[in-house]
Amino acid sequence: DSGVTQTPKHLITATGQRVTLRCSPRSGDLSVYWYQQSLDQGLQFLIQYYNGEERAKGNILERFSAQQFPDLHSELNLSSLELGDSALYFCASTKGASGGPQDFGPGTRLTVL
Amino acid sequence: EDKVVQSPLSLVVHEGDTVTLNCSYEVTNFRSLLWYKQEKKAPTFLFMLTSSGIEKKSGRLSSILDKKELFSILNITATQTGDSAVYLCAVDTGNQFYFGTGTSLTVIP
Repeated sequence: DSGVTQTPKHLITATGQRVTLRCSPRSGDLSVYWYQQSLDQGLQFLIQYYNGEERAKGNILERFSAQQFPDLHSELNLSSLELGDSALYFCASTKGASGGPQDFGPGTRLTVL
Repeated sequence: EDKVVQSPLSLVVHEGDTVTLNCSYEVTNFRSLLWYKQEKKAPTFLFMLTSSGIEKKSGRLSSILDKKELFSILNITATQTGDSAVYLCAVDTGNQFYFGTGTSLTVIP
């Protein structure tokens, strides 16, 4: 158990809808990373927050947004969902702002019908 | 464009065999290379390499980095069925982590 928690475990929704995925980092970790893992593309970095501030941005679509709250949990908001957004969404955390091994949460499996 | 390429894509071996997994990278700012094991859940950390030529070892697993040739290998000796997983390689550039698509290893009893 990495200490990183994610909810919900599974989410089934329809195209055009909006969903929110939640992540709590391991105790003491200040950085939260979001990843999308689909079968054909592997693990894709979306965005990183460090101590409440956005620190790095990867291949995150404009329809997606994230934030990190004062208690350090983070939420990833996905809107105007498309079939292609179906994937596993992982959150990972580290102590510092950059570098080092990441602890991954169990993931949220999103299915868009 | 920064990228990480792993090979082979998949591998099927028998218990007791030794395997070598490859990871090559092209990134503008290298800080470290990390290996993860992913079973049917979240990736779990195996090794982090920052310096060339220094082998990291943990039991039957070992890994080494060549910063001149821009690659790393992960060796698993005396494979067991519990080693069956996807092995992911990631490069930390300081701004983000770039992951390869992974090598799927299946160990047959």
